[in-house]
Amino acid sequence: GQNIDQPTEMTATEGAIVQINCTYQTSGFNGLFWYQQHAGEAPTFLSYNVLDGLEEKGRFSSFLSRSKGYSYLLLKELQMKDSASYLCAVNSNYQLIWGAGTKLIIKP
Amino acid sequence: GAGVSQTPSNKVTEKGKYVELRCDPISGHTALYWYRQSLGQGPEFLIYFQGTGAADDSGLPNDRFFAVRPEGSVSTLKIQRTERGDSAVYLCASSIRVQETQYFGPGTRLLVL
Repeated sequence: GQNIDQPTEMTATEGAIVQINCTYQTSGFNGLFWYQQHAGEAPTFLSYNVLDGLEEKGRFSSFLSRSKGYSYLLLKELQMKDSASYLCAVNSNYQLIWGAGTKLIIKP
Repeated sequence: GAGVSQTPSNKVTEKGKYVELRCDPISGHTALYWYRQSLGQGPEFLIYFQGTGAADDSGLPNDRFFAVRPEGSVSTLKIQRTERGDSAVYLCASSIRVQETQYFGPGTRLLVL
């Protein structure tokens, strides 16, 4: 079967750093995506990892370890607008297999 | 250019009725995807098109669901004999090629009464 696991919910403080983990077991692997989704809106693309290592893009970074089936999204200098769900998705045999998302709550 | 657009943004229908949901992808994107998302869940894959042909329709839940993309651009998702369980947000995404980054439309919120 194909499975992607993320924590259901996380809470962090404005200005802090938070790491959202994603583990996956899929029949194929052609890259891993992170998307941000605000309530009632469509997912928006954040990052893409296909090789092992860290990809940095401003306040957001994403890490991948293919041998461990593991990725994380790191958000720095948290802002209130970062309150959203963060979805991990694996490109497996031309399909995107999605996790259920991690709801991130930012407190002042 | 413009992003992915979807119409209608909201659709309320009665059980047993037929509905059509439209997706207009980003110009030049050859791949188009349909997903369904329920509250608190990630998107669930339905079907994707490479050009005009349905390359993978394995996610369509049953034969009441059908999608077309006759000219390789706009796509329509068709649902016959709607059921209350079909209520969800239907998302469309497009990518310049298969396996490239997918960009999503705002979705159509379907409510079957």
